[in-house]
Amino acid sequence: GNSVTQMEGPVTLSEEAFLTINCTYTATGYPSLFWYVQYPGEGLQLLLKATKADDKGSNKGFEATYRKETTSFHLEKGSVQVSDSAVYFCALKLSGNTPLVFGKGTRLSVIA
Amino acid sequence: DTAVSQTPKYLVTQMGNDKSIKCEQNLGHDTMYWYKQDSKKFLKIMFSYNNKELIINETVPNRFSPKSPDKAHLNLHINSLELGDSAVYFCASSQGQRGVYEQYFGPGTRLTVT
Repeated sequence: GNSVTQMEGPVTLSEEAFLTINCTYTATGYPSLFWYVQYPGEGLQLLLKATKADDKGSNKGFEATYRKETTSFHLEKGSVQVSDSAVYFCALKLSGNTPLVFGKGTRLSVIA
Repeated sequence: DTAVSQTPKYLVTQMGNDKSIKCEQNLGHDTMYWYKQDSKKFLKIMFSYNNKELIINETVPNRFSPKSPDKAHLNLHINSLELGDSAVYFCASSQGQRGVYEQYFGPGTRLTVT
């Protein structure tokens, strides 16, 4: 089946530290890949996406590259801020009438 | 001008009761979804409607019945509530279902069954 595996959290970093959240996937076809972010008490927001191999999605200083050879879509940011504290979800979607498949989420806490 | 809104935000009820959660989107999207987020933050699709037609119906007890009166609304009715139904329920919408259109999420409804 289709699934997404994310690194277990929580992740605690100091402000301005480098962030990596690992995400790997298993899919029966060629999925599009997404990172969503959920701030405390809010719904999910799309952070970035990539629709084909070697695409790089980027937004708000976050980046992720679609690596077909390693079936990965790791999220990175060079210098995190306290305001980045949230839960991050990696997700995939195949074409057709298929749903988003989410990983279990990784909680990030950034301390000043 | 909230894009996807849900009511209520919090819902506390007793086992055995029947309750509804409402969702409305003002984005002009034609596809709407219900997701369940459990206590460990795991998100799973429950239903998807496209132009008021049920497209996705995952393995969900038939106590859960979605209803889409029009493209802008997707309500979730739950009969005979159980303790295990306690979760946060998110509504979402997108323009289209077959492609990779961004899904916009509502703020969630936290359901607590006692």
